[in-house]
Amino acid sequence: GAGVSQSPSNKVTEKGKDVELRCDPISGHTALYWYRQSLGQGLEFLIYFQGNSAPDKSGLPSDRFSAERTGGSVSTLTIQRTQQEDSAVYLCASSLAPAGLSTDTQYFGPGTRLTVL
Amino acid sequence: QQQVKQSPQSLIVQKGGISIINCAYENTAFDYFPWYQQFPGKGPALLIAIRPDVSEKKEGRFTISFNKSAKQFSLHIMDSQPGDSATYFCAAPSGGYNKLIFGAGTRLAVHP
Repeated sequence: GAGVSQSPSNKVTEKGKDVELRCDPISGHTALYWYRQSLGQGLEFLIYFQGNSAPDKSGLPSDRFSAERTGGSVSTLTIQRTQQEDSAVYLCASSLAPAGLSTDTQYFGPGTRLTVL
Repeated sequence: QQQVKQSPQSLIVQKGGISIINCAYENTAFDYFPWYQQFPGKGPALLIAIRPDVSEKKEGRFTISFNKSAKQFSLHIMDSQPGDSATYFCAAPSGGYNKLIFGAGTRLAVHP
């Protein structure tokens, strides 16, 4: 079946503009994650959605970052008033992850490379 | 907050050699330690994981060794191949649910 898809694959924007990044998780996966990967860096957790529960936003670096997940499926990560330090690859992952159980495999999308000029 | 320290940052190995990557964690609510492999331009993918009721797990050329008392675990790649050239991330659980904290990654280059 189809894996996690993300769009756009590349996004170049000017400082101060808003951007929206989209993630389509694997069908039936209840958990969805956003990560940020800066050049040469690890995977920085941003936000986690699990079913209808309130999202874990503890990794969002500032209030310019927000995310939503509609209908328990597609998710959008929005960055307002982008800054040059926001330049990174934004990765989305999904997993079956029944709540309260041990970890399931996270399946990652190919990422969106964001460049802020 | 869980932290995971991964080393080395980069590694060069000759074909046929052994690649060893190490990780150390602070605390974890439960034991589950996966390794993810990432090729350029792709998202990470699960390579191997251990739920350590055992101290070692082997899958083909890949082995995870786990030392609970030292809070350390490592990935060994035997008979390393150029196709293994990738970035490897270790991870450890943080919190009570399906949230992983990843290490900074190790860029492995296997030279023919």
